[in-house]
Formats: sequence, structure tokens, C-alpha cells
Amino acid sequence: EVQLVESGGGLVKPGGSLRLSCAASGFTFSSYSMNWVRQAPGKGLEWVSSISSSSSYIYYADSVKGRFTISRDNAKNSLYLQMNSLRAEDTAVYYCARTFRGLVSYYFDYWGQGTLVTVSS
Amino acid sequence: EIVLTQSPATLSLSPGERATLSCRASQSVSSYLAWYQQKPGQAPRLLIYDASNRATGIPARFSGSGSGTDFTLTISSLEPEDFAVYYCQQRSNWLFTFGPGTKVDIK
Repeated sequence: EVQLVESGGGLVKPGGSLRLSCAASGFTFSSYSMNWVRQAPGKGLEWVSSISSSSSYIYYADSVKGRFTISRDNAKNSLYLQMNSLRAEDTAVYYCARTFRGLVSYYFDYWGQGTLVTVSS
Repeated sequence: EIVLTQSPATLSLSPGERATLSCRASQSVSSYLAWYQQKPGQAPRLLIYDASNRATGIPARFSGSGSGTDFTLTISSLEPEDFAVYYCQQRSNWLFTFGPGTKVDIK
């Protein structure tokens, strides 16, 4: 069974840093690109970042570029998101999601339960 | 950036009724579109990918159609567990965007 378990969320002051982790199991982690998607309280979904299976390709949403860093450790079956210079608008539940390759494009087929990040003074 | 809009924002229906949800893209996304279902307190679940393919384990009452800029998610006969928020999503040049969502609630 595919499982994605996020951790590392919490309360942080504006300008602070936080590192999220996602532990993967039930599939060959090193064969899949992975993603972070967030959801502000009561709002919709926002893609944050993606990383290819070997970390060769990394992409960010403009809203986090230069502040967030995605990484992975295939030996530990883990995905990470280092978040620096946090702002109030970064407050959200952060989901780890696996990339699914359809016939013509890419989507998210498995999601973790999410970890809440609150940025407030 | 491709913007997705969804309509209506809220759809109030009774169990057994047919639900028709719309997603429109600001420019063509070919068939590169997915639909997700999200229930309160839960992560999203992939329903439809490549506009019309059901994901693994998704009941046949869910169907997707469309291409280019206009897409539709149809739930043929609403079950009690189908009342949720539905999002469309596309990928263009490794930038993913979601629509704002359509809430299907009980009339």
C-alpha cells in the first residue's frame, strides 16, 4: 500500500524557517518524481514544487521561488521542503504527492494527509 | 500561466441526481486535464486524468469529457459519499495549476 506521511509543520514567526519531511513507503520511491502542494485554510489547492526521480529537474511556483528548496533522499525514501523567509501567506496545509504519468501528461495520484504550517507572530 | 475557472462555484443537488461540473482553461491544454475530489479534512483524490480516463478504483458513475479549453466532469447519479469539493488541474511546462473548485452539496 502506498503511504506518504508528512511531518515538520508547526507555528513559525514571519521571516522564520521550517523544514517539512515526507516519508514514502509501499512503492519504489526512486522511480517517481514527487511534489508539494499546499492549501491555505478554507481555500483551494496550490502547487508548490516538483522534483524528478533523480533530482535532476526541479520546479517551483513563482510564489515560493527563491525562498523554498525541494530535495529528496532516495536511500531514505524521503522528500523534503526547506522553507525560508516565511510569510503569513504561506500558512497552509502542505501535502506531499506522488506524480502519476497519464497517457499524455502528469498528475498527482497519491497524497499524504498533510502537515499544517502556520506563519504568525 | 494557464488559468482554470470552474463553474458553478456551488452545486446543490439531491442524491440520485446527475451532477455536471465545468472547467475552462484560459488557453488550450489539449487533453492534459485531471479532476480531483476532496472531502473535508481529507487529502484530494485523483478521479479522472487525461480529461476522460478514470483513475484506479474510481466508480463508473464518474466520467470526464472535453479537450482544448472546455471540460466537464459528470457524476451520473450522486451517492451520499459524492458530496465534496471537486478541482480540475492541468500541467503546462512543469507548472501545475488548479481551478478554484466546485462544491457539490446536498440540496
